[in-house]
Amino acid sequence: DAGVTQSPTHLIKTRGQQVTLRCSPKSGHDTVSWYQQALGQGPQFIFQYYEEEERQRGNFPDRFSGHQFPNYSSELNVNALLLGDSALYLCASSLAGGSLPILYWNTEAFFGQGTRLTVV
Amino acid sequence: QQQVKQSPQSLIVQKGGISIINCAYENTAFDYFPWYQQFPGKGPALLIAIRPDVSEKKEGRFTISFNKSAKQFSLHIMDSQPGDSATYFCAAGFDRGSTLGRLYFGRGTQLTVWP
Repeated sequence: DAGVTQSPTHLIKTRGQQVTLRCSPKSGHDTVSWYQQALGQGPQFIFQYYEEEERQRGNFPDRFSGHQFPNYSSELNVNALLLGDSALYLCASSLAGGSLPILYWNTEAFFGQGTRLTVV
Repeated sequence: QQQVKQSPQSLIVQKGGISIINCAYENTAFDYFPWYQQFPGKGPALLIAIRPDVSEKKEGRFTISFNKSAKQFSLHIMDSQPGDSATYFCAAGFDRGSTLGRLYFGRGTQLTVWP
């Protein structure tokens, strides 16, 4: 059973460019969350997708956007890259229970290995 | 404002010793407290988690102690091994509701276990 897979593993972009990162959740999971982990820091929540919609968002600018596909995989897009966007981007998947607007944990969150983005 | 504060920033322990990492949280509505282990170049891996209806949870050499009134929780690693050398993150989140799944992480503790 494959866990959470992310691609690419490493990426170098120039300031001002746009980037797309991809995530395939663990089999059976339907919820995807994205986190940014700066060097030496804990992961910071960017946003979460469930049923192909953004359900909640952390304190990140609109340059950060995402998408979830019917197969539950997800993309994170970052526009107008800044040097400060250099970080490890992590995808976490889980299985939600219940029904909107109230959901509950069915499983713990599993993280992928991350995409290391370097902006030069 | 840092929702979860973690200490120490780094920890050096001799093989066979006990490693203790502490965390404190602000939001009393948090009801899910996981610990993650992260090796260099890897994503965080769930180690053990606790919900506030219990004060302690043990899995193998890893134990979480939880003090709801003090809004603190800690990770104890018994018989620490060199293979435990990694960065440990505490986190807090919500077990249910519209904010389900969002985790607030501490800044991490770099643990080194000397052989």
